[in-house]
Order: sequence, then C-alpha cells, then structure tokens
Amino acid sequence: DARVTQTPRHKVTEMGQEVTMRCQPILGHNTVFWYRQTMMQGLELLAYFRNRAPLDDSGMPKDRFSAEMPDATLATLKIQPSEPRDSAVYFCASGLRGAGEQFFGPGTRLTVL
Amino acid sequence: AQSVSQHNHHVILSEAASLELGCNYSYGGTVNLFWYVQYPGQHLQLLLKYFSGDPLVKGIKGFEAEFIKSKFSFNLRKPSVQWSDTAEYFCAVNGGDSNYQLIWGAGTKLIIKP
Repeated sequence: DARVTQTPRHKVTEMGQEVTMRCQPILGHNTVFWYRQTMMQGLELLAYFRNRAPLDDSGMPKDRFSAEMPDATLATLKIQPSEPRDSAVYFCASGLRGAGEQFFGPGTRLTVL
Repeated sequence: AQSVSQHNHHVILSEAASLELGCNYSYGGTVNLFWYVQYPGQHLQLLLKYFSGDPLVKGIKGFEAEFIKSKFSFNLRKPSVQWSDTAEYFCAVNGGDSNYQLIWGAGTKLIIKP
C-alpha cells in the first residue's frame, strides 16, 4: 500500500531554531506539494515541485523558508529561524502530472515556543 | 484567477439527516474536480473525483457528488449521515494552467450529533 511518509510527526522547538521536515513521496509520483494548515488560515500551498524542479514557491516566506528535492525520493522543507507564528501542521502530498489527484502524508505538527 | 467557494463553513446535523455541501468554482475550461475529507487529527483523504463522463460520481462511504457544468458546481451529498462522518470536507479543482496544483476551497466543518 503506497503512502506518502513524513518525518518527524511532531516537533517542538524554540524560537530561532532551525526546523527541517522531510517527505518521501509515493514511488513514481513526479509532483510534490508542501502545504501548511492552521486554524486561522486553513490550508495554504507553500511550494510544489515537478520532476524535482521547483515550479512555484510563491506561497512561502522566502526569508526563512526553503524547500528542496535532493532526489526523487526525498523532499525537504526547512525553516530558519523558526518563529511562533510558524506553528502549524505541515503536509506533504504527491501526485502524477495531469492526474490532479494528490495523496497526502500524515503531516508534521510543528510547535514553536 | 481560478477560485473555489464552499458556501458553508460549519454544518451541524443529526444522525440520519441528509447532507449536501455546496461547492462552486470559477473557471471556464475543462476541469477535474475533487472532494477530500479530513477526519479529526488526520490528513486529507480523497472522497471522490470527477474527470469526465457521468456527472454523478460515487465515492467512498456512501458519498456522491454531482457536476453541473452550467452552474459551475460540484456539490457533495450523502442521504443519511453517521456520527463517524464528523470531519472537515474540502472541495478542490484542477484545470487549465494550474496543471499541477489544486485550487482549494476553504473547507466545511461538519459535525454530526449522535
């Protein structure tokens, strides 16, 4: 049963610390998305990749967030330095170009104190 | 720009009641349409999708949705809800130049009273 995996599932850190979240997309999927979900803002698209190339990261605060795909099996989202307003659940999703459907990982619940 | 509108942010129903959640989108071309569900504390899961063909789509857990092109709508329905349907429901659209991303509605929180 192919699934998107994310690590860590929970992260508590202090303001100013670096946070790295990892995602393993479903094997064979060529698009990867990073979302952030909060009570106030709902579901927000941060960035997405096709064939490891970033297509759009306009939803991401550039000064502190960065997203990469070092290889086809790993996507990373990094926050440096972290701030309390970054507290949220971060979801990774993967899919196939043109199919539209996205498969979501379990999310990383980030708390920045 | 494309957008998706979900009319109700919160819906409260009793068990066995019928459900209809509204979803309207703005895009004039060919679209793919989706409903996702997020149970409390979990990730989003696909309920059903429409790409082409029969505009009445059946999904998992007794849900169905009807694509009405003239109304730009894709409403979600279930004839008799259960307590376990308590969740947040998201409508999403993929089409045109948003080849890779979904345009999401704001979500509807559904609470089923036992």
